[in-house]
Amino acid sequence: AQKITQTQPGMFVQEKEAVTLDCTYDTSDQSYGLFWYKQPSSGEMIFLIYQGSYDEQNATEGRYSLNFQKARKSANLVISASQLGDSAMYFCAMREGINFGNEKLTFGTGTRLTIIP
Amino acid sequence: DARVTQTPRDKVTEMGQEVTMRCQPILGHNTVFWYRQTMMQGLELLAYFRNRAPLDDSGMPKDRFSAEMPDATLATLKIQPSEPRDSAVYFCASGSGVRETQYFGPGTRLLVL
Repeated sequence: AQKITQTQPGMFVQEKEAVTLDCTYDTSDQSYGLFWYKQPSSGEMIFLIYQGSYDEQNATEGRYSLNFQKARKSANLVISASQLGDSAMYFCAMREGINFGNEKLTFGTGTRLTIIP
Repeated sequence: DARVTQTPRDKVTEMGQEVTMRCQPILGHNTVFWYRQTMMQGLELLAYFRNRAPLDDSGMPKDRFSAEMPDATLATLKIQPSEPRDSAVYFCASGSGVRETQYFGPGTRLLVL
């Protein structure tokens, strides 16, 4: 079974609109972390936002927020007021076994977001 | 602005040649990761180190790949001999704990002809 599932291979969104990128995960651990990274066409991997499994509030970082629904095992990324510079691949990732000292990340297949002027 | 650095940024080589990729983690980070990104497999972990000791290299083909940390400021990934199927982008990342973020370097784009 896939640990991280991103069901949207590609999305087209009008500039200034909000966009939600879906991510569901599969783990039996109680302590885990969820990450989102952005990969623009230049190829670098840019960290966007982190949510810990015990965090009670949804994480927010500027225009990025993480809609964390633990019971549904989903960790969707919400980008408000999208900009042309948001066009990129977006990867959801999970770190399991935190209580055992694990630091490895497992990545989803990514969603390619294109912002239309 | 602390960053992970990687060299070379691009490498073209012929099948059978040795390839060495280098990574300088962010100062103070004690964990270093090597990932490989391909269109077919996506992003996959090859190996990672904590305090310079290898913790997991299960994702790495052992017969041709090797990863080391000669010191806290340098991590290396070697492929010998290289094959066309090794063509990929190789990322190094560093972090400082299980509840901390991993920061990625710019990657080494490898093409094996």
